Amino acid sequence: QVQLVQSGAEVKKPGASVKVSCRLSGYTLTELSMHWVRQAPGKGLEWMGGIDPEDGRIVYAQKFQDRLTMTEDTKTDTAYMELRSLRSEDTAVYYCSFLLHAAGWYKEWGQGTLVTVSS
Amino acid sequence: EVVLTQSPATLSLSPGERATLSCRASQSVANYLAWYQQKPGQAPRLLVYDASYRATGIPARFSGSGSGTDFTLTISSLEPEDFAVYYCQQRNNWPRTFGQGTKVEIK
Repeated sequence: QVQLVQSGAEVKKPGASVKVSCRLSGYTLTELSMHWVRQAPGKGLEWMGGIDPEDGRIVYAQKFQDRLTMTEDTKTDTAYMELRSLRSEDTAVYYCSFLLHAAGWYKEWGQGTLVTVSS
Repeated sequence: EVVLTQSPATLSLSPGERATLSCRASQSVANYLAWYQQKPGQAPRLLVYDASYRATGIPARFSGSGSGTDFTLTISSLEPEDFAVYYCQQRNNWPRTFGQGTKVEIK
C-alpha cells in the first residue's frame, strides 16, 4: 500500500527557510516523480514544482523559481521541499504527491504540513 | 501558463439534485484534465482523469466530459458526502495548474 508521510507543522519567522519532508512507502522514489502543491488558508490548490517523468528534470512554478528547492534521498525514499525567504503569504498547508508516469495524475497525497510564517 | 477558470464559484443545491461544474482553459489542454474533490482538513481526492475517466472507487454519479478548452464535471444526484470543493487540473503543459475551485454547498 502506498503511503506518503510528511513532517510535522512548522512555525517560522519572515525571512527564514523551511524544509518539509515526505517519506514514501509502497514504492521507491526512483519509480515515480514527486510533486509539491500548497494551499493557503481558505484558498485553492497551487502547484509548486515537480519532476517531469519524461526526462527527470525538476520543473518549478515561475513564482517559486528563486526560492524553492526540491531534493530527494533515495536511500530513505524521502523527498524534501525547501522554501527560502519566507513571507506571511507562504503560510499554507504543503502537500506532496507523485506521478507514476508521464500520463499520470495525483492519486495519492501526503497528509499535509502546515507552515505558519509569523513574526 | 495555462489558466483554468472554474464556474460557478459556489453552487447551492439540495441532496438529490444534479450538479454541473465548469472548467475553462485559457488554451487547449486536449483531454489532459482531471477533477479533484476536497473536504475540509483533507487532502484532495482524484475523481476523474483524462477528462472523462473515473478514478478507482469513484461512484458512477460522477462523470466528466469535454476536450480542448471546455470541461464539465457532473454529479447526477448529490449525496450528503458530495458537498465539498472541486478543483480541475491540467497536465498538458508545464507548469501544472489548478482551477480556483467550485464549492458545492447545501442549499
